[in-house]
Amino acid sequence: ETGVTQSPTHLIKTRGQQVTLRCSSQSGHNTVSWYQQALGQGPQFIFQYYREEENGRGNFPPRFSGLQFPNYSSELNVNALELDDSALYLCASSSRDRAYEQYFGPGTRLTVT
Amino acid sequence: GQSLEQPSEVTAVEGAIVQINCTYQTSGFYGLSWYQQHDGGAPTFLSYNALDGLEETGRFSSFLSRSDSYGYLLLQELQMKDSASYFCAVAGQTGANNLFFGTGTRLTVIP
Repeated sequence: ETGVTQSPTHLIKTRGQQVTLRCSSQSGHNTVSWYQQALGQGPQFIFQYYREEENGRGNFPPRFSGLQFPNYSSELNVNALELDDSALYLCASSSRDRAYEQYFGPGTRLTVT
Repeated sequence: GQSLEQPSEVTAVEGAIVQINCTYQTSGFYGLSWYQQHDGGAPTFLSYNALDGLEETGRFSSFLSRSDSYGYLLLQELQMKDSASYFCAVAGQTGANNLFFGTGTRLTVIP
C-alpha cells in the first residue's frame, strides 16, 4: 500500500470540456508529480510541484495546469479536452531528496469522446 | 533531448534468470531508476543506481555503467507474478526531481 490516492478512478468527458483530477500524497512526502500514460507506453512527465510551486514541466501545453495545497495534496486541471488526452493519469509523491523513488497512485482513467 | 531504449518484449521460463537492458541519452543525468507495472496497476519502484556498479535487492539486481550510458535490471528465480512491464527512468532536463520513462519491456514468465 503506497498511501497515494487518486480520484476519480474513471472519467468520461466530451471534447472541449474541462476536467479536474485529484491526488493525495503519501504521508511525509512534499513533492508531487503528474504523469500521462497512454496505452502501451511509459508514463510521460507533465509537471511537478514542491511547496505549492511548479518545479518543472514536461512537454505539455498550458491547458494542462495544476495546484499543490499546504497538505501536499494536488490537482491536475485540463482545459479544452482533446481526443488525444484520453489516457491514464498518474500522480506520484516523493521526498525531495529521493525523487528517484516515486510512489504512484492507482491513476485516473480519462476517456474523451 | 532525452531517449531511453528497452526491448519491447521478453519471455522467460519460471525459475530462470532474465536481464532487461536500457540504454539512454540525456543532457543531464542523475541516476537510473527501475519500476515495475502490472496490467491495470500503478508503477512501483524497484531500484536506483546513481553510481556505476551493481545494486542488489532480493531477487532483483540493477546495474549501471555511466560511461556506456547503459544499465540493466536482472531478475533471478523468476516467478509467474513477475510477469509485468518494466520501465527504466532517468532524471529529466528540468531538474533532478522528475523522471523520464522509457517505453517499457513487457516480461512474460511461462511455466
